[in-house]
Amino acid sequence: AQTVTQSQPEMSVQEAETVTLSCTYDTSENNYYLFWYKQPPSRQMILVIRQEAYKQQNATENRFSVNFQKAAKSFSLKISDSQLGDTAMYFCALNTGNQFYFGTGTSLTVIP
Amino acid sequence: ETGVTQSPTHLIKTRGQQVTLRCSSQSGHNTVSWYQQALGQGPQFIFQYYREEENGRGNFPPRFSGLQFPNYSSELNVNALELDDSALYLCASSLPPSGRWSYNEQFFGPGTRLTVL
Repeated sequence: AQTVTQSQPEMSVQEAETVTLSCTYDTSENNYYLFWYKQPPSRQMILVIRQEAYKQQNATENRFSVNFQKAAKSFSLKISDSQLGDTAMYFCALNTGNQFYFGTGTSLTVIP
Repeated sequence: ETGVTQSPTHLIKTRGQQVTLRCSSQSGHNTVSWYQQALGQGPQFIFQYYREEENGRGNFPPRFSGLQFPNYSSELNVNALELDDSALYLCASSLPPSGRWSYNEQFFGPGTRLTVL
């Protein structure tokens, strides 16, 4: 069975600082994708960043980067230079085949 | 290019009733997935439709059913509503994977908030 665990229900960070959100997962598949999604209060889910399991290099998208540790089944998200618009729920997700598995989310608040 | 749209935005039903939720996929996307997001939880995968056929299903009972139409729009039907069906229902569209280990990004709609009383 596939599972995704986010152990930080809530986090806060000062504007312009860096924050790291944690995620662990479990799967017996060798090939899969990992994602971080952002869900602002307006509730439309937006893809932040994705990582292919077969790639060793960590994905980066502007201020967002991941630390992918395949052996440890860990997939954390680092947000640098946090902005007020980063305030949202962040979901870690695992894709195997045509199924998606989401974690329970981390509510991030950026403090001015 | 239009994004994913869902209707209605909000819906209130009573226990035992039936409900139909609708989703229009993003232009050119022929794969639609449905998710249930209970309050304070992450989305749970219900099922996926590709070329009008169910193409994968999560751990949901048969009273959750779906349809996909030739224009790739989709419906989620829930029969015999239960209180626990109260949730945000999300639809996401994508192009189909070109191979078993390929991936195409999902684009989510704004969701339909269903309340069952």
